[in-house]
Amino acid sequence: AQRVTQPEKLLSVFKGAPVELKCNYSYSGSPELFWYVQYSRQRLQLLLRHISRESIKGFTADLNKGETSFHLKKPFAQEEDSAMYYCALRRGQGAQKLVFGQGTRLTINP
Amino acid sequence: DTAVSQTPKYLVTQMGNDKSIKCEQNLGHDTMYWYKQDSKKFLKIMFSYNNKELIINETVPNRFSPKSPDKAHLNLHINSLELGDSAVYFCASSQDIGPRRTAFFGQGTRLTVV
Repeated sequence: AQRVTQPEKLLSVFKGAPVELKCNYSYSGSPELFWYVQYSRQRLQLLLRHISRESIKGFTADLNKGETSFHLKKPFAQEEDSAMYYCALRRGQGAQKLVFGQGTRLTINP
Repeated sequence: DTAVSQTPKYLVTQMGNDKSIKCEQNLGHDTMYWYKQDSKKFLKIMFSYNNKELIINETVPNRFSPKSPDKAHLNLHINSLELGDSAVYFCASSQDIGPRRTAFFGQGTRLTVV
């Protein structure tokens, strides 16, 4: 069965510092990987997908199949980045459900 | 013009009661989901419906019964509520096929069983 692990439950960095939220997965096939973000009192929303290879709000994430990782990075953290971040996996074409990691609460200190 | 909307946003009820949470999406998606977020913020899928048909049922107690009157709605009925059912329940929808099968989430329903 597929599994997503986010080893850090809480992460706190200062404004302007680099941020890396770790995500590792276990799945033998070719998964689709996602990062979702939940700001305070807001709904869960998609931040980025590995297929798109895009940068959203300064965040990027690269799928490393060798290390089975999909870490989320941002070079300079901003206070508005404080939120709950979830890494999620879907098995690929034809699969429907998302399997989520346990989430990382990111706090950016001024 | 909210894409995925759930009602109610908050629900406080006593043990043993039966309650429902409604979900509607106006995105024209053909797949809808219910996820549960527990007190530790862990998100786990409960059900998935595709064109009103149950696709995924992730070992959820029989007290939970999803109902999809049409593909834009997926309601969650919970019978004989227990303390452990307290959680935030998220509805979501996505398109079944295509390269952009992104899941859109509702704002969540915080259920508290007392």
